[in-house]
Amino acid sequence: KAGVTQTPRYLIKTRGQQVTLSCSPISGHRSVSWYQQTPGQGLQFLFEYFSETQRNKGNFPGRFSGRQFSNSRSEMNVSTLELGDSALYLCASSLDRGDGYTFGSGTRLTVV
Amino acid sequence: KQEVTQIPAALSVPEGENLVLNCSFTDSAIYNLQWFRQDPGKGLTSLLLIQSSQREQTSGRLNASLDKSSGRSTLYIAASQPGDSATYLCAVLNGNNRLAFGKGNQVVVIP
Repeated sequence: KAGVTQTPRYLIKTRGQQVTLSCSPISGHRSVSWYQQTPGQGLQFLFEYFSETQRNKGNFPGRFSGRQFSNSRSEMNVSTLELGDSALYLCASSLDRGDGYTFGSGTRLTVV
Repeated sequence: KQEVTQIPAALSVPEGENLVLNCSFTDSAIYNLQWFRQDPGKGLTSLLLIQSSQREQTSGRLNASLDKSSGRSTLYIAASQPGDSATYLCAVLNGNNRLAFGKGNQVVVIP
């Protein structure tokens, strides 16, 4: 079966711009989570959506937002980009929390 | 707040040796624990999932144990191969539906 698909794989943006990342979960998975990975901080939780509702949110500024559609696909938006937002953004999907998470290949965002 | 620690941060072993990777966590009220592998610049590949009620899980050359009361998990990789070179990440799931990750064990298997 198809895995978790993230698009695009790479992005280069300028400070102050906004960006939208997309994640298509495994078919049938209703939970989608987003994580930011940087060399200094490691993997940090951004938010989780389940059946189109945000169920949990990490400690990131309001510039980071997301949503989930009725087909479980999810998007993450970052507005007013800062240099520190440069990172690998990973999406993970799950049937529900007890079933383990499957991660996508990530989107590498570089802010210049 | 759940804190997850993985020691050592990096290690090198000769091919054929068994690998032992340790993970500790501060809050024992976990839902489950998952071990992942990450190759440079890539996403995470799930290796093993251990539910809080289980003591261990096995898959091929991989075995992971869980001691919830002491806040520890160990990943064993038998007869290591150069293809096992990667970063191994331990992640703990609490009731808040968010994974807490360690910083990882960066492993190099020397042919």
